[in-house]
Amino acid sequence: GQQLNQSPQSMFIQEGEDVSMNCTSSSIFNTWLWYKQDPGEGPVLLIALYKAGELTSNGRLTAQFGITRKDSFLNISASIPSDVGIYFCAGHIQGAQKLVFGQGTRLTINP
Amino acid sequence: GAVVSQHPSWVICKSGTSVKIECRSLDFQATTMFWYRQFPKQSLMLMATSNEGSKATYEQGVEKDKFLINHASLTLSTLTVTSAHPEDSSFYICSATGTRSHGYTFGSGTRLTVV
Repeated sequence: GQQLNQSPQSMFIQEGEDVSMNCTSSSIFNTWLWYKQDPGEGPVLLIALYKAGELTSNGRLTAQFGITRKDSFLNISASIPSDVGIYFCAGHIQGAQKLVFGQGTRLTINP
Repeated sequence: GAVVSQHPSWVICKSGTSVKIECRSLDFQATTMFWYRQFPKQSLMLMATSNEGSKATYEQGVEKDKFLINHASLTLSTLTVTSAHPEDSSFYICSATGTRSHGYTFGSGTRLTVV
């Protein structure tokens, strides 16, 4: 099925560092969503993007909807221990109800 | 904000028995609900999409007779794993979207272990 290519698959960083991850697709999406999943929990929405070129922030998180509508990135500034988890991008193709998910980026932070 | 409650959070059952998982939208009407399955260290795999009052649409490779989905009201969808086997052990997650929201709110997941 339709796949989003999310990278990197994992990141090991020091506390305080900035983080960047991205998703790309060969298809055009009209919605990009970024989720965080903690162990044993469901994904929690971080940022939702609805327009090409849109840049949105949520605290230390910033995400952008690529101008080509085929990519998106998520940045986390000044990482803290509670940022540890798995981050998923998800896209919504126009006319389709279902979301397509990336493979996830596992973030580990060394104190 | 939109809240989705999923129950139970974990369940252990014997092989051959059936298990029902509930997904409720607490503060909005969920016109569409989705059921996902997630294996360890993997992404979410969509199993089926259900619209209230309609039969669920299953993804390719998902057995509709094994994973029974009911979406009889705008606030409740259930997933029943019938005749469960150890290979059905997984993390099952529901999500819901409503008429006034572009967002997809997820439940907290159900860890199913079949022994």
